[in-house]
Amino acid sequence: EAGVTQFPSHSVIEKGQTVTLRCDPISGHDNLYWYRRVMGKEIKFLLHFVKESKQDESGMPNNRFLAERTGGTYSTLKVQPAELEDSGVYFCASSQDSFAGTKNIQYFGAGTRLSVL
Amino acid sequence: AQSVAQPEDQVNVAEGNPLTVKCTYSVSGNPYLFWYVQYPNRGLQFLLKYITGDNLVKGSYGFEAEFNKSQTSFHLKKPSALVSDSALYFCAVRPVDDNTDKLIFGTGTRLQVFP
Repeated sequence: EAGVTQFPSHSVIEKGQTVTLRCDPISGHDNLYWYRRVMGKEIKFLLHFVKESKQDESGMPNNRFLAERTGGTYSTLKVQPAELEDSGVYFCASSQDSFAGTKNIQYFGAGTRLSVL
Repeated sequence: AQSVAQPEDQVNVAEGNPLTVKCTYSVSGNPYLFWYVQYPNRGLQFLLKYITGDNLVKGSYGFEAEFNKSQTSFHLKKPSALVSDSALYFCAVRPVDDNTDKLIFGTGTRLQVFP
């Protein structure tokens, strides 16, 4: 079974440009999460989708960030325009429906390292 | 504010010796507790979790963690370290008193096991 996959693995852009990150969750997982780790700090929650609906977007830093999950499958996270402080590693995670036996375990991708110059 | 503390940026241990990676949390109620590990160029990999029951939980690769409610701690342990255990370890909690699935992470502890 394929795990959570994220594209690209690394992105280098200039301040003011736009970047789109993609996450493909584990097949059949309704829950999809985005997190971010700024260098050396804790991993912080950004938002949570249940299928195509945003369940919790309390961690989104500002309106330069837009997350979508059309059709309830893969998700994209767009940063427009990017600022220097957006640099970090963006992780995606997925989990099964809460009624499943392995509820509460979030499975993570390898992350996308974003560098804004 | 809800938070997770991993007080050590790095833990060094000789192969074969026991290891402990510390984690304390400040979260109301009875949260779910997790440990994840990140090997170089890999994603976060689930190690173990505590939901309820026995305070000592066993996980992958011989790791275990001890939940201490009075000290709000969830330290990761292994009786005999391997060089291949060298990685970045994250403690995480999921509050269960609010309607959210989000994980709150610590800053991570780098474990270095020397031959």
